[in-house]
Amino acid sequence: VQLVESGGGLVKPGGSLRLSCAASGFSFSNAWMSWVRQAPGKGLEWVARIKSKSDGGTTDYAAPVKGRFTISRDDSKNTLYVQMNSLKTEDTAVYYCTTLDPAGDYWGQGTLVTVSA
Amino acid sequence: DIQMTQSPSSLSASVGDRVTITCQASQGINDYLNWYQQKPGKAPKLLIYDASNLETGVPSTFSGSGSGTDFTFTISSLQPEDIATYYCQQYDNLPYTFGQGTKLEIK
Repeated sequence: VQLVESGGGLVKPGGSLRLSCAASGFSFSNAWMSWVRQAPGKGLEWVARIKSKSDGGTTDYAAPVKGRFTISRDDSKNTLYVQMNSLKTEDTAVYYCTTLDPAGDYWGQGTLVTVSA
Repeated sequence: DIQMTQSPSSLSASVGDRVTITCQASQGINDYLNWYQQKPGKAPKLLIYDASNLETGVPSTFSGSGSGTDFTFTISSLQPEDIATYYCQQYDNLPYTFGQGTKLEIK
């Protein structure tokens, strides 16, 4: 099982970034996927979740990112995305993609997003 | 949102000690509680799910208990490799929420 995030980097406040998470080794299309972030030296914060298409493909967001972030998936590419717009300095964090599922709890290594002028 | 209050925030113990961390939910969570271990620079690792079930491959020195709103995580005999930060997390309701973490150090 592997989850590999990419797309992190330095971006100015108000800017945009799209993170990707390439999955392998498990049935990605059947998995509900989440993004979880961790600000430097801080705890874990759930960001967003997308259900499998067979379960409706619906999305949910944490209040701090609702309206600015969009989670999506491409099951043909086994890839999870999050489009992050109107970025704020408080969005600076390591972003992990994860199944957050006790039946198969998988995490990527994380990708760092730094929002700074 | 369900608030998860975890204590202590840090803990110093000796090798071989029994270590206990508590987590209190602001409302009942139907035992949908995970415990994670996170080492510096690494992703979290699931240790306990559904409050008391040991994840496959996790040493039996780790255990979880509790129900309703009050939960406990225990390491029966602390080993040097257990040095990490531990988090509880509820998945009964969105938004999923984590405790603030307990940083465990060797005395």
